[in-house]
Amino acid sequence: GAGVSQSPRYKVAKRGQDVALRCDPISGHVSLFWYQQALGQGPEFLTYFQNEAQLDKSGLPSDRFFAERPEGSVSTLKIQRTQQEDSAVYLCASRTLNSDEQYFGPGTRLTVT
Amino acid sequence: RKEVEQDPGPFNVPEGATVAFNCTYSNSASQSFFWYRQDCRKEPKLLMSVYSSGNEDGRFTAQLNRASQYISLLIRDSKLSDSATYLCVVNSDSGGYQKVTFGIGTKLQVIP
Repeated sequence: GAGVSQSPRYKVAKRGQDVALRCDPISGHVSLFWYQQALGQGPEFLTYFQNEAQLDKSGLPSDRFFAERPEGSVSTLKIQRTQQEDSAVYLCASRTLNSDEQYFGPGTRLTVT
Repeated sequence: RKEVEQDPGPFNVPEGATVAFNCTYSNSASQSFFWYRQDCRKEPKLLMSVYSSGNEDGRFTAQLNRASQYISLLIRDSKLSDSATYLCVVNSDSGGYQKVTFGIGTKLQVIP
């Protein structure tokens, strides 16, 4: 079956541009996570959704980062006024409510120049 | 102190060797534990869950020591295809949902 998909796979943005990253979770998965993974690091938690409710956004590094999941399926992570330190792979993962296993998308590699 | 700590390595081991990784966690209320595998430029994938009684899956054995707050992964008879980064993952209750924390990952390189 279809796994988690993310788009675009690669994004190059000039410093100061806004970007929007999309995640299509596995159908029926209630829980959705966004992570940021810098080179040589593990995934760092950004935010968590349960259906359309954003239950935890404590990992968002600044108010330039915003995430939404308005209908409880597709989610968008938006970064405003991108900075060089935003360059990373942004991973989305989904899971069912009662499962521990997360299924990851392939990630979006963001490079800010 | 980081919530989940791992030695980033790299661990360079010959084929056929046995290698072990440890991971420590700081939250004593952590509830569930996992090892994920991440290949270069790919997404993480679940390798195995870690239970208090320990669990084994083929050449892989995972163990949990709650008293000392660490988990371990043992790989026997290493294969070239085991080369990857192994991520320790800890879940803890956070206001009604399971918060997920990843370690930095331990890089394993199996050499012929």
